[in-house]
Amino acid sequence: NAGVTQTPKFRILKIGQSMTLQCAQDMNHNYMYWYRQDPGMGLKLIYYSVGAGITDKGEVPNGYNVSRSTTEDFPLRLELAAPSQTSVYFCASSPRGKSTDTQYFGPGTRLTVL
Amino acid sequence: QKEVEQNSGPLSVPEGAIASLNCTYSDRGSQSFFWYRQYSGKSPELIMSIYSNGDKEDGRFTAQLNKASQYVSLLIRDSQPSDSATYLCAVWTNAGKSTFGDGTTLTVKP
Repeated sequence: NAGVTQTPKFRILKIGQSMTLQCAQDMNHNYMYWYRQDPGMGLKLIYYSVGAGITDKGEVPNGYNVSRSTTEDFPLRLELAAPSQTSVYFCASSPRGKSTDTQYFGPGTRLTVL
Repeated sequence: QKEVEQNSGPLSVPEGAIASLNCTYSDRGSQSFFWYRQYSGKSPELIMSIYSNGDKEDGRFTAQLNKASQYVSLLIRDSQPSDSATYLCAVWTNAGKSTFGDGTTLTVKP
C-alpha cells in the first residue's frame, strides 16, 4: 500500500500560469480532501470529495478547481496562479468521512508563485 | 473568534518534563477531537483521538476532553527531543469536516 501519494513535491510557477497538483490513494477511501498550509499556520480546507463525481467547497476554494472521476484520484487545479497561492498543499483521505475516521495525509506539494 | 484556538507557543521544556498543549473550540456540536504531530517539512500524523469527556492515555501521551468548557488538551510525559514538533489540534464538526488550529511548536531541550 502506497497510501496517499502526491506529485510533484516542489514546483515554482510564474504569476498567471496554471498547473494541476496530483493526488492518488490506493486504500479505496471514499473521502478525499485538499488542504493548504501557510507558514506557521494550520491547515485550511480547499475542497473535498465524498466519492467519485461529488465534490464540495471548503473554507478557501477561490482560485482552485477539483474533479473526482475515480475513487483513487483527486487532482487540484490552479488557474491563473497568484503569489497568495504560495503554500504547502496536502491531500488527505479517509474511509467514510465519519467523525471517528482517521485522515491519512500525503507528503505534500510545496508551491511557490513568483 | 477562531473556530479552533491553540496556545500560541513556542513551548520549550527540558527533556523528561511534562509538556502541556491546549486547544479550545467554538462549535458546541463538535463530536471528535484529534491531535496531530507535524515534523518540520513533513505531513501531519495522527497521534491521539478523543471522543468523550475525560482522559485517554496512549503510552506517554494523554488527551483530555472537557466538552462543557469546550477544551481539549494533550499531555506528553517524559518528553524526549524526538517529540520536538508542531502539534495541531483538529476538531470534527457537525458539518462533516475537520477544522485545524494553527498549531503549537514544542521544543524539548536535552
